[in-house]
Amino acid sequence: QVQLVQSGAEVKKPGASVKVSCKVSGYTFIDFYLHWVRQAPGQGLEWMGWINPNSGATSYAQSFEGRVTLTRDTSINTAYMELTSLRSDDTAVYSCARGVAVIMGVVDYWGQGSLVTVSS
Amino acid sequence: EIVLTQSPATLSLSPGERATLSCRASQSVNSFLAWYQQRPGQAPRLLIYDASNRVTGVPARFSGSGSGTDFTLTISSLEPEDFAVYYCQQRSSWPRAVTFGGGTKVEI
Repeated sequence: QVQLVQSGAEVKKPGASVKVSCKVSGYTFIDFYLHWVRQAPGQGLEWMGWINPNSGATSYAQSFEGRVTLTRDTSINTAYMELTSLRSDDTAVYSCARGVAVIMGVVDYWGQGSLVTVSS
Repeated sequence: EIVLTQSPATLSLSPGERATLSCRASQSVNSFLAWYQQRPGQAPRLLIYDASNRVTGVPARFSGSGSGTDFTLTISSLEPEDFAVYYCQQRSSWPRAVTFGGGTKVEI
């Protein structure tokens, strides 16, 4: 079955960086885009960007441009999201989600989420 | 960037009632709009894509309509498990930005 398993919770200080991993199984890693979405406590969903695991091509939301980097390692079926210059309002659950094959931009399977807490 | 505005923010209804949720886009997204359901403590679940196409396994009481800038998600008769937060999402800007609406909470 399709599974996306993310790395654990992190606590970071303002100005630091965080890197969250998303290891997939149950399907061919390079065949489906991976998206990253975050959700601040009690807030809505915020799309951050996508990566094409096959080519490595990426696209980022304007609000994260310059601070977020999506990468992947096809040898271990894992994608990564790195966010730099962390602020307190970056405290959120960060999730990876698999794109639907022929409905670009829509996602079906999600990781369990990784809580990132930014606090001094 | 296309902004999606959902209304109302909260919808208070009883089981068996009809729920009508609205999503308005700041510019036309054609029919490239999806709806997701998020129950507390769970990941979002895709319900509807391209405005009116129900995902396999989603009950028929869920239906989507609209095009251009105005969209509606209708739940014909609320079941207890339908009380959740619903988000719309547009993909008309693909491969550039994908955006979510702010969500509508359907509460008992």
